[in-house]
Amino acid sequence: EAGVAQSPRYKIIEKRQSVAFWCNPISGHATLYWYQQILGQGPKLLIQFQNNGVVDDSQLPKDRFSAERLKGVDSTLKIQPAKLEDSAVYLCASSLDRTPNYGYTFGSGTRLTVV
Amino acid sequence: AQKVTQAQTEISVVEKEDVTLDCVYETRDTTYYLFWYKQPPSGELVFLIRRNSFDEQNEISGRYSWNFQKSTSSFNFTITASQVVDSAVYFCALSDPNTGGFKTIFGAGTRLFVKA
Repeated sequence: EAGVAQSPRYKIIEKRQSVAFWCNPISGHATLYWYQQILGQGPKLLIQFQNNGVVDDSQLPKDRFSAERLKGVDSTLKIQPAKLEDSAVYLCASSLDRTPNYGYTFGSGTRLTVV
Repeated sequence: AQKVTQAQTEISVVEKEDVTLDCVYETRDTTYYLFWYKQPPSGELVFLIRRNSFDEQNEISGRYSWNFQKSTSSFNFTITASQVVDSAVYFCALSDPNTGGFKTIFGAGTRLFVKA
C-alpha cells in the first residue's frame, strides 16, 4: 500500500512570503492531520479533517495559516505571510477513522526554513 | 490538562545493551490511549504500539517491550539487545477520546544513539 505522500520535501522562503504544502493520504483513510514539529520538540496538531470537514483546528494560527481538504482526499496547508518562528517540519498523517485504533500513518514531512 | 513527559532527552548505548525509554503522562480521563512512535533520520514517524487505559498487560514484540503502569502513570519502552538500526527519536503520545477527534498529544521525544 502506498504511504502518505507529501510535497515539497524542503522549502526555503523569506519572511512575509507565502508557502503551500500538499498531502495525499493513504487511499480510503477518512481522517487527515497536519502537525507542526519544531526542532527538538514533539509534533503539535494544527488541524484535523474528517473527510472534508474540520474536526479540530484549535491550535491553527488562523491569522496566517489555512488548510483545506476539498473532496475529502488530498489536502493543502498554506502559510501567508510566513514568520521566522514558522520554521519547522510540517507532517501530514492519515488514519482509517478518527479513533486511535489503528495509529496514524505519517508522511516524510516538509521541512520549512523561513529566513 | 493532558501532558506527556519524556524526561530523557538523549540516550547513548553500545550495541547489544538493553535500554529503557521513560514516558510519564497526565490526564484526568479514565479512558485514554497511549502510543509509541519511532522517528528515524528520514523523518517519517512510524507507529509502534497502541495501548488503551483498560489494558495494563505488558506487551512484547521481538526485541521491543512495553510496561504500562496506571498506578504511576507510566508507559515505558524497552529495547533488548539494541542495534544500530534502533537509532532514532522515539515519541510517546496520549490520545483523549473525550475530544471529538481523539486529539493526540506527543512528548518531546527521546533521541537514542546506538553505537556499534
